[in-house]
Amino acid sequence: GQQVMQIPQYQHVQEGEDFTTYCNSSTTLSNIQWYKQRPGGHPVFLIQLVKSGEVKKQKRLTFQFGEAKKNSSLHITATQTTDVGTYFCAGTFSGGYNKLIFGAGTRLAVHP
Amino acid sequence: SQTIHQWPATLVQPVGSPLSLECTVEGTSNPNLYWYRQAAGRGLQLLFYSVGIGQISSEVPQNLSASRPQDRQFILSSKKLLLSDSGFYLCAWMPRQIYEQYFGPGTRLTVT
Repeated sequence: GQQVMQIPQYQHVQEGEDFTTYCNSSTTLSNIQWYKQRPGGHPVFLIQLVKSGEVKKQKRLTFQFGEAKKNSSLHITATQTTDVGTYFCAGTFSGGYNKLIFGAGTRLAVHP
Repeated sequence: SQTIHQWPATLVQPVGSPLSLECTVEGTSNPNLYWYRQAAGRGLQLLFYSVGIGQISSEVPQNLSASRPQDRQFILSSKKLLLSDSGFYLCAWMPRQIYEQYFGPGTRLTVT
């Protein structure tokens, strides 16, 4: 079936270090989205990427969609304690636009 | 603006008891609606989704069911809860053809 693999599962960084999480699919994605879930909270939509090779930035966050639309990454520059949480990617596939396939998430811990 | 409500926020139920969780969306019409379950420290498991009143798609065969009696109301039910039903239940809505999901605050269910 259609799956979205996400790595790493956990990442511990010192405040100020960079962080990257990666998502991969064996099948071409129609689009990919990123969500952030703070501890004890619910997932919050961050961004959607649709075009091949697309790069979007939100302050210290950089999102990329691969040329083949099979992979994506989220990079955080100079992490802060407010970045703590779990980051999920989620994709839609051709013919399945009504549901998102979520990656397992990357839990980020930031040590001050 | 759109708002999604879920209740209750927390619930402790004995094994074998029934369950009814309700989700309502305000400020939009004809949304796609979703029920997810999240085990502690884990990813999101899609349980059900609905593209319209009375239209339910089940993703995981289990002792849960869902109904959509009104356009902006989504209900998750069980006749007899199992220990394995414990988890964080999240409702989400998605505007048609926008493919961004917005989550409610969730219900933490503990089956004892």
